[in-house]
Amino acid sequence: DAKTTQPPSMDCAEGRAANLPCNHSTISGNEYVYWYRQIHSQGPQYIIHGLKNNETNEMASLIITEDRKSSTLILPHATLRDTAVYYCIVRAQTGGSQGNLIFGKGTKLSVKP
Amino acid sequence: DGGITQSPKYLFRKEGQNVTLSCEQNLNHDAMYWYRQDPGQGLRLIYYSQIVNDFQKGDIAEGYSVSREKKESFPLTVTSAQKNPTAFYLCASSNRASGGPEGELFFGEGSRLTVL
Repeated sequence: DAKTTQPPSMDCAEGRAANLPCNHSTISGNEYVYWYRQIHSQGPQYIIHGLKNNETNEMASLIITEDRKSSTLILPHATLRDTAVYYCIVRAQTGGSQGNLIFGKGTKLSVKP
Repeated sequence: DGGITQSPKYLFRKEGQNVTLSCEQNLNHDAMYWYRQDPGQGLRLIYYSQIVNDFQKGDIAEGYSVSREKKESFPLTVTSAQKNPTAFYLCASSNRASGGPEGELFFGEGSRLTVL
């Protein structure tokens, strides 16, 4: 699986957009980009995933560059409850089953009032 | 409501004792996973199971054992052979999609084990 690189920490003002970058320069054509987040002492929560097109849901938007070597997770209006560690993961679909997602250290996002 | 239940939430044990952590899901998911998380670190995969009566070792299986006798249950035993068992343990499950993108992982709230 391709390795990802994320900044260890970021700050964001409440109400502003939080843009969390992720580099995955060795991603291969069949690998998806997943984002999860983990609020302190809880289990991680799925946010969004994509292959090559930009994706949006009720939680966030995922922008993947045309060459797929990097992506950005956007929280359009960050709130204090968005303070968490955000994990960017790339993983190939493996024969129709889930396979194993590898969680690195992620980015610790601190939303400040 | 559907979800994953882990118990106990907190557990204290003496060194050398085996400990079993419970994980139950009512999401009808085929696949289940156990991860370990140490302070300030990411998650590391211990064991996973994609179907009943079958499971595979993850990256750090030594000192742990699992069983998958029922679809909804995937208990983890931390044995006395595990050298540093104090950690936060997370159980997850996912749907086994046939074709199309992989399903998301659903996590429990975790079990924090402290070995004294």
